[in-house]
Parts: sequence; C-alpha cells; structure tokens
Amino acid sequence: GAVVSQHPSWVICKSGTSVKIECRSLDFQATTMFWYRQFPKQSLMLMATSNEGSKATYEQGVEKDKFLINHASLTLSTLTVTSAHPEDSSFYICSAFPYSNQPQHFGDGTRLSIL
Amino acid sequence: GNSVTQMEGPVTLSEEAFLTINCTYTATGYPSLFWYVQYPGEGLQLLLKATKADDKGSNKGFEATYRKETTSFHLEKGSVQVSDSAVYFCALRSSSGSARQLTFGSGTQLTVLP
Repeated sequence: GAVVSQHPSWVICKSGTSVKIECRSLDFQATTMFWYRQFPKQSLMLMATSNEGSKATYEQGVEKDKFLINHASLTLSTLTVTSAHPEDSSFYICSAFPYSNQPQHFGDGTRLSIL
Repeated sequence: GNSVTQMEGPVTLSEEAFLTINCTYTATGYPSLFWYVQYPGEGLQLLLKATKADDKGSNKGFEATYRKETTSFHLEKGSVQVSDSAVYFCALRSSSGSARQLTFGSGTQLTVLP
C-alpha cells in the first residue's frame, strides 16, 4: 500500500536553530502533500498545502516566513522551521494521497523540541 | 464551512467491552468520511472509510456507517482489546472544490484495561 515516510522522527535543538523535516511518498507520486501540527492531546491542525512545482498554500494564522515549505519533486516535500523557538515545539505530521479520490496516508510524525 | 464533532474522551473500557465513539459532521454536498487511529508517538493510520450514504466501512473489527439523515459516522467495535488503546479521529473530506485536505474532529482517547 501507499507509504509516506517522514524524517527525522525526533529533533531536539537549541532556540534559534532552523530545522528541516522531510516528507517522502515512497511508492507513489504526490502532487499535493499536507503539513499538520498537533499539540499534546489535541487534534491535527492543517498548516499548509504543499504543491509540487508551485508555492504552498498556508492556512490562516500560519506564518509562511516561519514555516518554509518546498515541494521540488513529486515524492518529496520539506518543511523548514526557521529560527525555531520553544513555542514551536510540537508534533508535525505530513500526509499525501496517491490519487485524488484516495484516502490520505500519513507519515509517522516528527516530534520537535526546542530548548 | 466543514466541521466534525466528536465524542469527548477519555474513554476507559475493560477488555471485551463494547465500544461506541460518536461522530457527527457538517458539510455541503456529499463528503467522504474517515476514521483514523493514532498510537502513542506515531502518525495517523487510516482505520476505515465510507464515501457515500449508507456505506459501511469496516476494518479490524471496527465498523462505522455513513448516515446522511443524521449526518453521523459513529465508530463501533463489539469487543475491544488492550491493543486498541489509542486516539481515534473522525474526519471528512469535502466532495467539492479542488482541495483534498481533511477536516478532523478533536480526537477521542481510548484506554482499554485488561
């Protein structure tokens, strides 16, 4: 079945560091991928829609200069948290779907901890 | 806009008990409905889905029926196991427009005790 791989699974770094998270579709091509953020014991909040070959679409309230998204190929989208601060600590999850009418498949998530 | 209202947790059951997690939705048109499960420290896994009214999704003993008249998609399992302990999310995907993002409910934490 469709597999989405996310890397790294856990990041701990100092405040002010930029962190890049990768999301790969392993056995299908994905023109669209989604990035979510999840706070402890809460639901997923859609941050942005990543579009291959074009700019990402950000949800209201999400800073596009803070959360840089690049979708340079049909199998890879990256989320870079720039100059991360403790309030950016969270669980970030990506998803993609093989075809427009197929369910989304999720990566295993990246736990980001900013000290 | 679209929204999903999900039964608040946490839910604690004994092994072999019957499980129901309520989910209702608001959407225009004919959305697709999903249940996802999230185990601790992991991403979401699709549990089951239904794409039209009266469809029943089922997987691993879990079932949910798409009820358009009550705009509901309640999750049920006849006999839960300890390994079913996880967070369950109800979600919908709109049938209109070009976007394919999901709208999630708030999640329900299920703990099954031996």
